[in-house]
Amino acid sequence: GENVEQHPSTLSVQEGDSAVIKCTYSDSASNYFPWYKQELGKGPQLIIDIRSNVGEKKDQRIAVTLNKTAKHFSLHITETQPEDSAVYFCAATSVGRSGGSNYKLTFGKGTLLTVNP
Amino acid sequence: DAGVIQSPRHEVTEMGQEVTLRCKLISGHNSLFWYRQTMMRGLELLIYFNNNVPIDDSGMPEDRFSAKMPNASFSTLKIQPSEPRDSAVYFCASSRGSMNTEAFFGQGTRLTVV
Repeated sequence: GENVEQHPSTLSVQEGDSAVIKCTYSDSASNYFPWYKQELGKGPQLIIDIRSNVGEKKDQRIAVTLNKTAKHFSLHITETQPEDSAVYFCAATSVGRSGGSNYKLTFGKGTLLTVNP
Repeated sequence: DAGVIQSPRHEVTEMGQEVTLRCKLISGHNSLFWYRQTMMRGLELLIYFNNNVPIDDSGMPEDRFSAKMPNASFSTLKIQPSEPRDSAVYFCASSRGSMNTEAFFGQGTRLTVV
């Protein structure tokens, strides 16, 4: 099955700096890569996603890049703010055992991002 | 829409007791996922349903765990008997079911088995 590795596990930056989180995946058939943000006491929430037919996607201060050949993708947050502090998860989809339109989302272990004022 | 609703938010139970976690999907969604989150293992997919049918339960740790979808909008995850190592935060998530669509998570149930 799919295996997603995420680095670093913790990241501390100063307000205004950039933060980069990197993930690799194992299943070359995966073609959807969402990023989730989890704040304390809450469930993960989608912040941005990218599909395999796209190499880069940007939404305001957040951008994701995807390298399908190398099987890695990254999250970039620019001009970080204290409210960006949270745990960030990357994920990848692989087709489930029964194939077809069924799929399972495999998550990385998460990155605790701390933005210091 | 109120989003995915899970209950209870917190559960403390004694080892050996039965625990039932509940989840209400977002209206119109037809895929349901149960995840378990721990510090050591991160977010693990336990089971997912598509159109009320269990598709992949390979993540269910053992026979003590069972999940059902009695109707299109509701699911339960049951642990019987519970053990201290089951202590974790359990999330359910729902989506429209097709590949490459967003999964919406509930707030989670924090389970503590003593």
